Amino acid sequence: EDKVVQSPLSLVVHEGDTVTLNCSYEVTNFRSLLWYKQEKKAPTFLFMLTSSGIEKKSGRLSSILDKKELFSILNITATQTGDSAVYLCAVGVNTDKLIFGTGTRLQVFP
Amino acid sequence: ETGVTQTPRHLVMGMTNKKSLKCEQHLGHNAMYWYKQSAKKPLELMFVYSLEERVENNSVPSRFSPECPNSSHLFLHLHTLQPEDSALYLCASSQDLGQGNEKLFFGSGTQLSVL
Repeated sequence: EDKVVQSPLSLVVHEGDTVTLNCSYEVTNFRSLLWYKQEKKAPTFLFMLTSSGIEKKSGRLSSILDKKELFSILNITATQTGDSAVYLCAVGVNTDKLIFGTGTRLQVFP
Repeated sequence: ETGVTQTPRHLVMGMTNKKSLKCEQHLGHNAMYWYKQSAKKPLELMFVYSLEERVENNSVPSRFSPECPNSSHLFLHLHTLQPEDSALYLCASSQDLGQGNEKLFFGSGTQLSVL
């Protein structure tokens, strides 16, 4: 059965800290790995990764995929209170499905 | 604003009621989805439509009935729900199905409570 596991489940940090969120997966017919940020209700797209070892970057956020070890990390540097959210990892498989993890809840305190 | 609008934002219904959730996308996409998000569980795919045709029905009970009258609108009709159906129901769209179209755009969801 296809599975996506995120860790940690929750994380509490202070502004300015750097955090690393983890996503590991076991799926058949991998297509892509995606990261979403869910602040209140609507998940918003952050990154889509398809190739190993190529870092994607957007401001203070970056992500990389390791297809050999079957995981991805999402890094956030110099965290701000606005980064507080649930971060979702999802893996696209060839049946046109996205398999989601349960998410990591990040809380950033001033 | 993600280009996907869902109404209502909140809904409370009894187990004998019939209600409908509405989703509209303004992105010109051809594929639309219903997801269920329960507390402490991963998002679960319920239904997928491509060009108004249902292509996925993920073992969803018949008390949930989707309808896609055109590629911009998606409905989820609800009847005789159970308390365990209480959840956030998210609508999403993508350009098409198939490889390279995994990027979904989500609406803000309908928070459903079944009493």
